[in-house]
Amino acid sequence: NAGVTQTPKFQVLKTGQSMTLQCAQDMNHEYMSWYRQDPGMGLRLIHYSVGAGITDQGEVPNGYNVSRSTTEDFPLRLLSAAPSQTSVYFCASTGGLGGYTFGSGTRLTVV
Amino acid sequence: QQQVKQSPQSLIVQKGGIPIINCAYENTAFDYFPWYQQFPGKGPALLIAIRPDVSEKKEGRFTISFNKSAKQFSLHIMDSQPGDSATYFCAAEDTGTASKLTFGTGTRLQVTL
Repeated sequence: NAGVTQTPKFQVLKTGQSMTLQCAQDMNHEYMSWYRQDPGMGLRLIHYSVGAGITDQGEVPNGYNVSRSTTEDFPLRLLSAAPSQTSVYFCASTGGLGGYTFGSGTRLTVV
Repeated sequence: QQQVKQSPQSLIVQKGGIPIINCAYENTAFDYFPWYQQFPGKGPALLIAIRPDVSEKKEGRFTISFNKSAKQFSLHIMDSQPGDSATYFCAAEDTGTASKLTFGTGTRLQVTL
């Protein structure tokens, strides 16, 4: 049972470049979400999805897009990377009974 | 707007001590309060959680105390060990709406020998 798988683990981007962070879960969870973690700020919600075809914005959505074409996958797209998007990104899923399962994270540096 | 406030930011205790981490929330619709433990380079992992119909929950050495009227909850770690050294996050969720966890800012705990 893999749980939540995130790729890549590390990425360096130049300002203005775009990229997609991948997230996949094999637990048939309806709810998936993306968080970013910055020192002293905890985890902040970027976007979330309550099921295939349904997405919504979280607390800090600007500069990011998401889509949910399948239950398993929830990719996060950075449209035009900025240094302010340097962070550690976590994908998480839950079956709705309480308790999220997090991936191991993607450490992104934008130079 | 910080809906879940967590303190202290960092904490150092000796082995066997009882670190206490406190959280306060504002949204009275929150009805699920989990704690997550995160080791360096890893994602957060669910440690223990409580719902507001009880005032205390214990799982092994970890205890959540919950005060609904004060809108506060805390994590106690009994007989702390160096292996407990990690960052701890409290969180809150309104399970009646779309599933969105709101996190505290985290507490970095170091347990020394």
